[in-house]
Amino acid sequence: GQQVMQIPQYQHVQEGEDFTTYCNSSTTLSNIQWYKQRPGGHPVFLIQLVKSGEVKKQKRLTFQFGEAKKNSSLHITATQTTDVGTYFCAGNTGGQKLVFGQGTRLTINP
Amino acid sequence: NAGVTQTPKFRILKIGQSMTLQCTQDMNHNYMYWYRQDPGMGLKLIYYSVGAGITDKGEVPNGYNVSRSTTEDFPLRLELAAPSQTSVYFCASGKTGATNNQPQHFGDGTRLSIL
Repeated sequence: GQQVMQIPQYQHVQEGEDFTTYCNSSTTLSNIQWYKQRPGGHPVFLIQLVKSGEVKKQKRLTFQFGEAKKNSSLHITATQTTDVGTYFCAGNTGGQKLVFGQGTRLTINP
Repeated sequence: NAGVTQTPKFRILKIGQSMTLQCTQDMNHNYMYWYRQDPGMGLKLIYYSVGAGITDKGEVPNGYNVSRSTTEDFPLRLELAAPSQTSVYFCASGKTGATNNQPQHFGDGTRLSIL
């Protein structure tokens, strides 16, 4: 079945440093979504990418969808303590379901 | 703004007991999902529904059952609870399915321990 791999599993940074998480699918995706889960909380939708090579920005967050639509990345510039949490990618191959990656847990030293 | 509401928030079960996790949404969403999240892991789909009266299996359906008698409610039933079912369970809903690029809205989760 479809698999979505996400790396790294954990990332610890100093406040102000950048952060990137990568997502790779075993199959071509129709779209990919990104979610953030704060410690003890529930996943919250951040963004979706649909087009090959698409790049979207939300303030300090930059999301990219690969040309082959099999990989994606989330980059945070100049992290802040409010960025702490686990970031998940979730891929769709054309059905009604999303397949979630394992997530990257971001911790920040203030 | 209730959104997706899950009850209970916490529960401890003994092996072999059964229970129902409740999920209700007030956004008139057709699509509803049940996921489980094990520590340090991502979300695995248990069951989903594309509308009232229609349910389908996800990635890890064994040991669970669902029903969807109304648009609003999507309960998850555990029969003969086993320690492997210790997890955090999230219910989610979406206006349409993943192919139409609609986000999923999650409830706060039910933390279930089976001892």
